[in-house]
Amino acid sequence: EDQVTQSPEALRLQEGESSSLNCSYTVSGLRGLFWYRQDPGKGPEFLFTLYSAGEEKEKERLKATLTKKESFLHITAPKPEDSATYLCAVPVSSNTGKLIFGQGTTLQVKP
Amino acid sequence: NAGVMQNPRHLVRRRGQEARLRCSPMKGHSHVYWYRQLPEEGLKFMVYLQKENIIDESGMPKERFSAEFPKEGPSILRIQQVVRGDSAAYFCASSIRLTGEVGGYTFGSGTRLTVV
Repeated sequence: EDQVTQSPEALRLQEGESSSLNCSYTVSGLRGLFWYRQDPGKGPEFLFTLYSAGEEKEKERLKATLTKKESFLHITAPKPEDSATYLCAVPVSSNTGKLIFGQGTTLQVKP
Repeated sequence: NAGVMQNPRHLVRRRGQEARLRCSPMKGHSHVYWYRQLPEEGLKFMVYLQKENIIDESGMPKERFSAEFPKEGPSILRIQQVVRGDSAAYFCASSIRLTGEVGGYTFGSGTRLTVV
């Protein structure tokens, strides 16, 4: 069964304290892995797409990496405005665009 | 370029009433997806539509729920005879082509349905 698991569920960091979020996946044939950011009361905002093991993408303080079994979202020197829920998702079909989402990691960065 | 527009933002319905949620995709996007986010749960796929066609409705409950994306106008998610368990945030997303080809969707801000 296709599955996406994120850890930890919640993460509290001090401003400037770097850390990583994990996304483990089980799918039959990876067709990409997506990272989103979701702020309270809003829809998910697309961050990155990764397609193959070893691939890395960066955006400001965020860097996403991908292996054959999991992806990491590294946050370097976070700021309070990085506080949000981070979601990862994988497509389960090449014909329907259906995504399976993880439960998310809620990040809180304190000044 | 307006993003994905969903309305209403908040909707309150009494048990047994109908709820109609509307979604206007981004300009040029012909693929629409509906997801539901129940309290304390992750986003769950409901349905994928193209203009005038339902492509995948494997995530739709068998009864009371329907979706359409007409040739003209927004996509509509309809929930008949709502029950308390339907209370959730409903998100619409759109893309130019299938997700795997161009990356992630663009999501709207959602409709928060409360059934009282």
